[in-house]
Amino acid sequence: AQTVTQSQPEMSVQEAETVTLSCTYDTSENNYYLFWYKQPPSRQMILVIRQEAYKQQNATENRFSVNFQKAAKSFSLKISDSQLGDTAMYFCAFRDSGTYKYIFGTGTRLKVLA
Amino acid sequence: DAGVTQSPTHLIKTRGQQVTLRCSPISGHKSVSWYQQVLGQGPQFIFQYYEKEERGRGNFPDRFSARQFPNYSSELNVNALLLGDSALYLCASSPGWGSTDTQYFGPGTRLTVL
Repeated sequence: AQTVTQSQPEMSVQEAETVTLSCTYDTSENNYYLFWYKQPPSRQMILVIRQEAYKQQNATENRFSVNFQKAAKSFSLKISDSQLGDTAMYFCAFRDSGTYKYIFGTGTRLKVLA
Repeated sequence: DAGVTQSPTHLIKTRGQQVTLRCSPISGHKSVSWYQQVLGQGPQFIFQYYEKEERGRGNFPDRFSARQFPNYSSELNVNALLLGDSALYLCASSPGWGSTDTQYFGPGTRLTVL
């Protein structure tokens, strides 16, 4: 069974600095998708970034980028120039190409400090 | 365009009662998924529907059921409520049944079982 592990329950970062959130996953599939979702205190889950496993190039969305290491089954999220609005729970999620069930990690609570 | 909407926002029930939660997907989206998010945890997959047919089911008891209507909206029903059913119930929609489709989440319904 696929699993997603986020080993950092909580993290904090100073405003304008860079922070990296870790995620590892386990699967025997070769084709799959990985996501980072953000859930602010208002609770609506927002897609931050996605990565297709068949793409070697790491995905980037403005200040957000990933370090995707397929062999190591690692998918970390780097947030550059952190802003107060980045304060939220961040969930790593996995989806294989055959089903559309998302498997989520337990989340990392990120606090950006002024 | 409006995002995924869910109703009600909050709900309080007692053990043994039944509850119905509602979800309207983003206009044009034909797939709806339901997730249960217990406090402090990541969302757990319950159901997925596409074109009014069940396409996936998570590891939840038969007390949980769902359906999708011709307008692609969806209802999640939970019978014989238990204290452990207290959670945030999230609905997510996606355009179709393609491997590139990404799910977009609603704000959730907070269910409290007393």
